[in-house]
Amino acid sequence: GESVGLHLPTLSVQEGDNSIINCAYSNSASDYFIWYKQESGKGPQFIIDIRSNMDKRQGQRVTVLLNKTVKHLSLQIAATQPGDSAVYFCAASSGDKLTFGTGTRLAVRP
Amino acid sequence: NAGVTQTPKFRILKIGQSMTLQCAQDMNHNYMYWYRQDPGMGLKLIYYSVGAGITDKGEVPNGYNVSRSTTEDFPLRLELAAPSQTSVYFCASSYQGINTGELFFGEGSRLTVL
Repeated sequence: GESVGLHLPTLSVQEGDNSIINCAYSNSASDYFIWYKQESGKGPQFIIDIRSNMDKRQGQRVTVLLNKTVKHLSLQIAATQPGDSAVYFCAASSGDKLTFGTGTRLAVRP
Repeated sequence: NAGVTQTPKFRILKIGQSMTLQCAQDMNHNYMYWYRQDPGMGLKLIYYSVGAGITDKGEVPNGYNVSRSTTEDFPLRLELAAPSQTSVYFCASSYQGINTGELFFGEGSRLTVL
C-alpha cells in the first residue's frame, strides 16, 4: 500500500528565512497531493495542493514542488514567520484513498 | 460559518464503556470523514460517508460505528471502549471527494480510555 513519509521530524528555522519541508511517497499511481498545517490543539488546515500533471504550484508565500520521477514533493515557505510554527503534513491520493504522512514540526526561532 | 464542529473536545472513558463523538458541518458538504491521529502516525481513516444514508469503512473501522441520517451530522460511535482507542479523533468534510478538493477538519476530540 501507499506510504507517505517526511525526511525530518523537526525543522528549526530563523524568522525571515525560507523553510523547505520534504515528503516522499511510494505509490506511483498517486495523482493528487496536499499539504496541511496543524497548529497545536487544532485540526489540520489545508495549505496548498497539486495534481500530478503539474510540477510546481504557488500560493501566498508557499510553493509546492512535485517530482514524480523520484516520488518526492516539497513545501517551501518564504520569509518564515512565528505564525508558521506548526506541524506540516503531506498527503497523497490515488483514486479514493488519501494517505497522510507523519508530519514535520516547524519551529521558528526569533 | 462554524465549519466543522466536534463535541466533546475531551473525554475519559473506562474500558468497556460506550460513547458517541458528535460531528456537524454547516457547509452543505456531501462528503464526511472520521480520522484518528495517534502520536507519530499519519491520520488514519475510520469511516466515511458520501451522502446522507451512505457510509463506508475506511482503513481502521473495527470498534467503531457511524450513521449519516442528515447531510449535516456524522456521529462516530465507540462500543466497548478499549485502551487502543485512546487517540485524537478528527471529523472532516469536503464538497467533493478526497481526490478532488480540500478537506475541512474540526478541532478534534481527544479520547482517553483507561
